[in-house]
Amino acid sequence: GQQVMQIPQYQHVQEGEDFTTYCNSSTTLSNIQWYKQRPGGHPVFLIQLVKSGEVKKQKRLTFQFGEAKKNSSLHITATQTTDVGTYFCADPRGYQKVTFGIGTKLQVIP
Amino acid sequence: DAGVIQSPRHEVTEMGQEVTLRCKPISGHNSLFWYRQTMMRGLELLIYFNNNVPIDDSGMPEDRFSAKMPNASFSTLKIQPSEPRDSAVYFCASKPGQGYGANVLTFGAGSRLTVL
Repeated sequence: GQQVMQIPQYQHVQEGEDFTTYCNSSTTLSNIQWYKQRPGGHPVFLIQLVKSGEVKKQKRLTFQFGEAKKNSSLHITATQTTDVGTYFCADPRGYQKVTFGIGTKLQVIP
Repeated sequence: DAGVIQSPRHEVTEMGQEVTLRCKPISGHNSLFWYRQTMMRGLELLIYFNNNVPIDDSGMPEDRFSAKMPNASFSTLKIQPSEPRDSAVYFCASKPGQGYGANVLTFGAGSRLTVL
């Protein structure tokens, strides 16, 4: 079935460096969501993108939805230790079930 | 709002025992999801309900797993008999299904299951 593929699975960065995670689908997505899970915690919703080419910002986080609505990215500028966690993209397929990518685990080295 | 409430938070049991995980969704949410999270497989969707009705259980690993939602405020995930490979964190999540944020999942804190 349709899956969202996410890369990289792991990323270590020095504090202050930028970080990007990518999400790709073989088919067109209606929209895409991003969640963050802190170590030992549960996934928490960050944002949903709906429109082709959409770009949204939340402070140091920038989310993009591709023109063909088959890919998305999350970029963090100047990472901080509070950014540590696993970032998931999710496909809320047809407003029914929500399927998650494998996630990108971010470690920030102080 | 108390959010999605799961119990127990931690469960350690022996192989062959029955395990029941419980979930109370957010009041007014009409969709409920059960996920399993492991290092190897990430967040796997096991089953989801709309208006208390199971819609898709294709993610349920095998007949040892069963889920019920007898009413809008309660769901259970049962494993009988449990096996060591069932060890994982099980998350329950709910979403409104309509209106603002219709498709946004709110997760519970999870139930960490260890089967010895």
